[in-house]
Amino acid sequence: QVQLQQWGAGLLKPSETLSLTCVVYGGSFSTYYWSWIRQPPGKGLEWIGEINHSGSSNYNPSLKSRVTISVDASKRHFSLKLTSVTAADTAVYYCASGQVWLDSWGQGTLVTVSS
Amino acid sequence: DIQMTQSPSSLSASVGDRVTITCRASQSISAFLNWYQQKPGKAPNLLIYAASSLHSGVPSRFSGSGSGTDFTLTISSLQPEDFATYYCQQSYSTPRTFGQGTKVEIK
Repeated sequence: QVQLQQWGAGLLKPSETLSLTCVVYGGSFSTYYWSWIRQPPGKGLEWIGEINHSGSSNYNPSLKSRVTISVDASKRHFSLKLTSVTAADTAVYYCASGQVWLDSWGQGTLVTVSS
Repeated sequence: DIQMTQSPSSLSASVGDRVTITCRASQSISAFLNWYQQKPGKAPNLLIYAASSLHSGVPSRFSGSGSGTDFTLTISSLQPEDFATYYCQQSYSTPRTFGQGTKVEIK
């Protein structure tokens, strides 16, 4: 089973770009899809999008205009960028492995957007 | 988007109780339904995938059933470590939507 470790800036100002990266340990990087999910404080889970090792991706239409998920298979990394953040983007962001089901998750990164 | 509705939103139960959580999809999703458990401050953990398959390492007191639009997660005998929030998720189509969660609390 894979293990995921994520990192990125935790405090942003409105209009800045959120940038998070997740590194994959173990498993076959080319077998999985790699996903991002977020959870506003005290609320439920929202799927952001997914990507495979060759860069084929799917995004949530509600965020599609602002989201880019990228992959660097040579480094076993995948990344999330979300532009023009507002307070509504404040959430814990998780990376996860899988497409049809999410069987391993990163530890989560709290991203707070505040002026 | 496919809407996922869980019921109840919360429940109180005692150790040893049988607990059932329901998830309904706004359209048929075949068996593309997963269940996750989340404890405070932690990432969710996969419990059940493809409606009824138990993920590796998950205790057998957890089970899932259903297909089409109606699904159930059952905990046959609630244990102290099972007090948590449970989410269903459909993976039939994108965006891969989650239910709003069911919080299982101690009675």
